[in-house]
Amino acid sequence: EAGVAQSPRYKIIEKRQSVAFWCNPISGHATLYWYQQILGQGPKLLIQFQNNGVVDDSQLPKDRFSAERLKGVDSTLKIQPAKLEDSAVYLCASSSLRGNGEQYFGPGTRLTVT
Amino acid sequence: GDSVTQMEGPVTLSEEAFLTINCTYTATGYPSLFWYVQYPGEGLQLLLKATKADDKGSNKGFEATYRKETTSFHLEKGSVQVSDSAVYFCALRWANTGNQFYFGTGTSLTVIP
Repeated sequence: EAGVAQSPRYKIIEKRQSVAFWCNPISGHATLYWYQQILGQGPKLLIQFQNNGVVDDSQLPKDRFSAERLKGVDSTLKIQPAKLEDSAVYLCASSSLRGNGEQYFGPGTRLTVT
Repeated sequence: GDSVTQMEGPVTLSEEAFLTINCTYTATGYPSLFWYVQYPGEGLQLLLKATKADDKGSNKGFEATYRKETTSFHLEKGSVQVSDSAVYFCALRWANTGNQFYFGTGTSLTVIP
């Protein structure tokens, strides 16, 4: 089966600009996660969706970050305006409601804010 | 709050050496424990897991045992290969909070021939 797809793979923007990332989870996976992975750190959960509803967004900086999953399939994560400290790899993962809840990760989008 | 502490890297080993990467956790109760691996330029992949105390997860020659008494889940491999060079993340997950993962900071391993 196809894995989790993300685009773009790399993005360089200037601070105060906006940027959007896209994720297409594994077909049939109801749960979708966005993580932020700053260099030298482990991934940190930003937001979790189940179908098109938000389960947890407690660590999402809502003044500048937003995410949606309107049809319960693919998702977009937006940053507006970007800050230097947003430079990181943004990982998308998905999991099935059935089984053991294992999360499957995409390759990530590496964002550099200059 | 819940957290995972990993041995700091980077770790450099010669091929066929023994590997241990330490991981301890802080949690109220008994979460599931995982090791994920991230090869250069790729996303995280599940390496192994254990869902209850005394369980041993194993895969590709790697092993880790869920030790409740020491709140640890150390990763071991008897003989590493160059292809094992990657970053390894220890993580815990609570099933009753929407399967949210808490990751350690990662340990970079380089195996030299």
